[in-house]
Amino acid sequence: GAGVSQSPSNKVTEKGKDVELRCDPISGHTALYWYRQSLGQGLEFLIYFQGNSAPDKSGLPSDRFSAERTGGSVSTLTIQRTQQEDSAVYLCASSLGTSGRRRGGEQYFGPGTRLTVT
Amino acid sequence: AQTVTQSQPEMSVQEAETVTLSCTYDTSESDYYLFWYKQPPSRQMILVIRQEAYKQQNATENRFSVNFQKAAKSFSLKISDSQLGDAAMYFCAYRSPVTGANSKLTFGKGITLSVRP
Repeated sequence: GAGVSQSPSNKVTEKGKDVELRCDPISGHTALYWYRQSLGQGLEFLIYFQGNSAPDKSGLPSDRFSAERTGGSVSTLTIQRTQQEDSAVYLCASSLGTSGRRRGGEQYFGPGTRLTVT
Repeated sequence: AQTVTQSQPEMSVQEAETVTLSCTYDTSESDYYLFWYKQPPSRQMILVIRQEAYKQQNATENRFSVNFQKAAKSFSLKISDSQLGDAAMYFCAYRSPVTGANSKLTFGKGITLSVRP
């Protein structure tokens, strides 16, 4: 079956512009995560969605970052008024969910979106 | 909070030889998951191997195996018969078994593995 897909693959934007990054998780996966990968900070957790529950936004670095997940499937990460420090690879991952202690655990990643803010 | 440490930024191995990548972690939990992910230049994070802390037996997947030392909080990856396609960045990751956002992965800084032909 299809894996996690993300679009666009690469995005170059000017400082101050808004950007939207999209993630299509694996069908049937109820948990969805966004991570950011940058040279200085490594891989950081940003936000978590589980089914129709309210997302956990504890990893978002500022209020310029937001995300939504429509219909429990596709997710969009929005960065407003982009800054140069937002330049990074944004990775999306999905998993079967976290309702069972012995269930799954594996997260499957998309190819990421490389964001460059000039 | 859990932390994951990969102290070696780079390693190199001769094709067909064996290499071991180190990882240590810190946690107060008694049950958890540990993973090794591979990230080639394509950026796609690929799950290599998974270990559940409550299982004493070390996980193996073909040429990949782990040495899980729970008391020492050590989780190393051994790659046998190294192949050119194994060249990539490797990340060690920790996950709590709980529900919710604490199910997120905590990653080490990664190690770049090169394979010499």
